Amino acid sequence: DGGITQSPKYLFRKEGQNVTLSCEQNLNHDAMYWYRQDPGQGLRLIYYSQIVNDFQKGDIAEGYSVSREKKESFPLTVTSAQKNPTAFYLCATTGYNSPLHFGNGTRLTVT
Amino acid sequence: AQSVTQLGSHVSVSEGALVLLRCNYSSSVPPYLFWYVQYPNQGLQLLLKYTSAATLVKGINGFEAEFKKSETSFHLTKPSAHMSDAAEYFCAVSESGGSNYKLTFGKGTLLTVNP
Repeated sequence: DGGITQSPKYLFRKEGQNVTLSCEQNLNHDAMYWYRQDPGQGLRLIYYSQIVNDFQKGDIAEGYSVSREKKESFPLTVTSAQKNPTAFYLCATTGYNSPLHFGNGTRLTVT
Repeated sequence: AQSVTQLGSHVSVSEGALVLLRCNYSSSVPPYLFWYVQYPNQGLQLLLKYTSAATLVKGINGFEAEFKKSETSFHLTKPSAHMSDAAEYFCAVSESGGSNYKLTFGKGTLLTVNP
């Protein structure tokens, strides 16, 4: 089955630690995206990548970093510089004329 | 810049009643418009999309939406609500298409369906 795999589903970290969220896709889609979701705030774009080895900042990139070393993978690192990291993180992809297709998300809790 | 406003953060209907979820958008070019549904602790699933073809768009699960340029609206409707429709619904706009969709989402509307 083609799809997007986000792991883990739940993640707990102590404040001050960096943490990396995984996103893998086998849809052969070129573009990949990371969104953050907070209650009542909708989805906000963190980073996106339209091609391997290239990515752009979204609306709320501060405190986050990404890499795109291969087409299938787009990991997101939440650094200790992110002031309020507890949130639901969603990875998505698009192919040509194919709207956003989402993974099932990772819920990160930082205490 | 593109933006989306969803009127009503919470809508409650009775089973069998009409569902109407409101969405207004702002875009400097002819937009692409989308409705997504999210069930608890899951990702978003595409319900329907408008890409400048027919103004009345039919989606999955009996939902449809009408693009009204004069009102800059893209409201989502369903004639008869089912219990399984209870979820959060997001409207989104993009000024680009192809493989370059960069969506801006509204804040969401939580739909509750009462028996």
